[in-house]
Amino acid sequence: ETGVTQSPTHLIKTRGQQVTLRCSSQSGHNTVSWYQQALGQGPQFIFQYYREEENGRGNFPPRFSGLQFPNYSSELNVNALELNDSALYLCASSSAGVRNTDTQYFGPGTRLTVL
Amino acid sequence: AQSVSQHNHHVILSEAASLELGCNYSYGGTVNLFWYVQYPGQHLQLLLKYFSGDPLVKGIKGFEAEFIKSKFSFNLRKPSVQWSDTAEYFCAVNALGQTGANNLFFGTGTRLTVIP
Repeated sequence: ETGVTQSPTHLIKTRGQQVTLRCSSQSGHNTVSWYQQALGQGPQFIFQYYREEENGRGNFPPRFSGLQFPNYSSELNVNALELNDSALYLCASSSAGVRNTDTQYFGPGTRLTVL
Repeated sequence: AQSVSQHNHHVILSEAASLELGCNYSYGGTVNLFWYVQYPGQHLQLLLKYFSGDPLVKGIKGFEAEFIKSKFSFNLRKPSVQWSDTAEYFCAVNALGQTGANNLFFGTGTRLTVIP
């Protein structure tokens, strides 16, 4: 157990809908990263939040957005859901901020199914 | 762009056999290297990491990995596997000196099945 929690565990949505996923970081961690893990693939970086601001983004369209709150928890929002958004969404926390020198600890993930 | 290659997609071993999983990355600068494991139904867990120093790093549960800079490799090894090692193994890299986020690039994973 890493102390990183995510909710909900599973979610089923239909195409075109919007979804919000939530993550609570491990105690003492101020940075949250989000990853998408499609079936049979490794996780792909979506974006990272540090001090409530987006700090880097992977190759994902603007309909993927996020927030970080003063307590360092975070949300991932996806608008206009598409079928290929179906995946496991992972949250990872660390204390690195903008540095590349810390380990990321992962939560259990939210399994999103888009019908 | 950085990329990570794991050439073994599915490895099947008998208990007590030795394990080596390959990982190669493409990035010419300084890197941090990680192996994560995902047991069935569980979340990604850190197995071991290399930041600097001795290129042979030891992790949990008897795993070790060797960083060979000239080969851009970070192979995972275990001398004798157990049935409980059945899991998905992911190699990951983050590239120091890059602007922006502390983001990890993952390989596609290697599924290890250990037969009792």
